[in-house]
Amino acid sequence: KNQVEQSPQSLIILEGKNCTLQCNYTVSPFSNLRWYKQDTGRGPVSLTIMTFSENTKSNGRYTATLDADTKQSSLHITASQLSDSASYICVVSPLDDYKLSFGAGTTVTVRA
Amino acid sequence: DSGVTQTPKHLITATGQRVTLRCSPRSGDLSVYWYQQSLDQGLQFLIQYYNGEERAKGNILERFSAQQFPDLHSELNLSSLELGDSALYFCASSGRSGNEQFFGPGTRLTVL
Repeated sequence: KNQVEQSPQSLIILEGKNCTLQCNYTVSPFSNLRWYKQDTGRGPVSLTIMTFSENTKSNGRYTATLDADTKQSSLHITASQLSDSASYICVVSPLDDYKLSFGAGTTVTVRA
Repeated sequence: DSGVTQTPKHLITATGQRVTLRCSPRSGDLSVYWYQQSLDQGLQFLIQYYNGEERAKGNILERFSAQQFPDLHSELNLSSLELGDSALYFCASSGRSGNEQFFGPGTRLTVL
């Protein structure tokens, strides 16, 4: 069973609207949680990285939250743009292991 | 541009063949990671090297092998290729802390 589950699998939103992506994980203890953006056919690019003690981290129109008690994270995209169309991947780094746990990603499509 | 380079960008070959994918990490990064991403699948961790030594192994098939050279570049060797090996192969690098991984643009392998 994957230790990182993301939902929804995909979503379509209109340009200018907001959306929230979810990430639930079972990795414990963990060192940090990251959100990556991956454009089709390209390498993932880091959006945010949070340690277990951080609750929120912003990067422009992207805001990530973390609840270490419930083992949930979310990524909120504000005022979406066409360029936000991509796959968003939640990645959890265990405290005592070098192997990262990757979620399957949420594919976001922004329509004009 | 992440600073991680991968060659070639595209590779088309036949079943049973052997190929070598190459990765140059960001300047100063000692760790190199290899990932496989099949169509519409999440990233699967294959293997990690740190300063020339194998550090962690993921879901890497016995037909696959990798190494990291003294100049820190890395190669991923895939042999006895099968149709199911068609995928994007990403290389990532990180510094000493390993907190942040920077991904290369990937090599798209097509096995016919």
